[in-house]
Amino acid sequence: AQSVAQPEDQVNVAEGNPLTVKCTYSVSGNPYLFWYVQYPNRGLQFLLKYITGDNLVKGSYGFEAEFNKSQTSFHLKKPSALVSDSALYFCAVRAPGTASKLTFGTGTRLQVTL
Amino acid sequence: NAGVTQTPKFRVLKTGQSMTLLCAQDMNHEYMYWYRQDPGMGLRLIHYSVGEGTTAKGEVPDGYNVSRLKKQNFLLGLESAAPSQTSVYFCASSPGTGREAFFGQGTRLTVV
Repeated sequence: AQSVAQPEDQVNVAEGNPLTVKCTYSVSGNPYLFWYVQYPNRGLQFLLKYITGDNLVKGSYGFEAEFNKSQTSFHLKKPSALVSDSALYFCAVRAPGTASKLTFGTGTRLQVTL
Repeated sequence: NAGVTQTPKFRVLKTGQSMTLLCAQDMNHEYMYWYRQDPGMGLRLIHYSVGEGTTAKGEVPDGYNVSRLKKQNFLLGLESAAPSQTSVYFCASSPGTGREAFFGQGTRLTVV
């Protein structure tokens, strides 16, 4: 069964500092990996994805993520955090194949302070 | 484009009552999903569909049924609501496995 682990319930960072939100996954075959962000009382918004190719993928709002196959990780990063980045972040994985499920992690709350 | 629309946005049910949550998407997507979100548990997949007329069980299907009679609609039914089904329910759709999913705004359901 496929799964996603987000080991940190919350990440605290000061504005202007780099941030990392961790994600590891387990899936059969080559994974499709996604990051989503959720603001209070809203649905999830897509940030970025890894399907194939370059291990470093860039997404919305200055976020990027690095795919590491040997460590089965897909950590979300941003060079300089903003207070407005404070939100709930979800990592998700899907196995290739037409009948595959999209499985989410438990989420990591990012708190950026001045 | 409206994207993914969920109806209703809020609902309070009494234990044992039934209801149907409607998800409609206008993007001609093949895949549709129902998730529930609970504090500390992330999003858990209830049921999903890979095309019109197909449905499949996710991680937590018990107590729920679904139907996808039309490509644009995915219905989630609760036959006999229980307090454990108090949650926020999200519908999502996706054009394919390598493509991102688009989410609705959620339905906050309380079962008393």
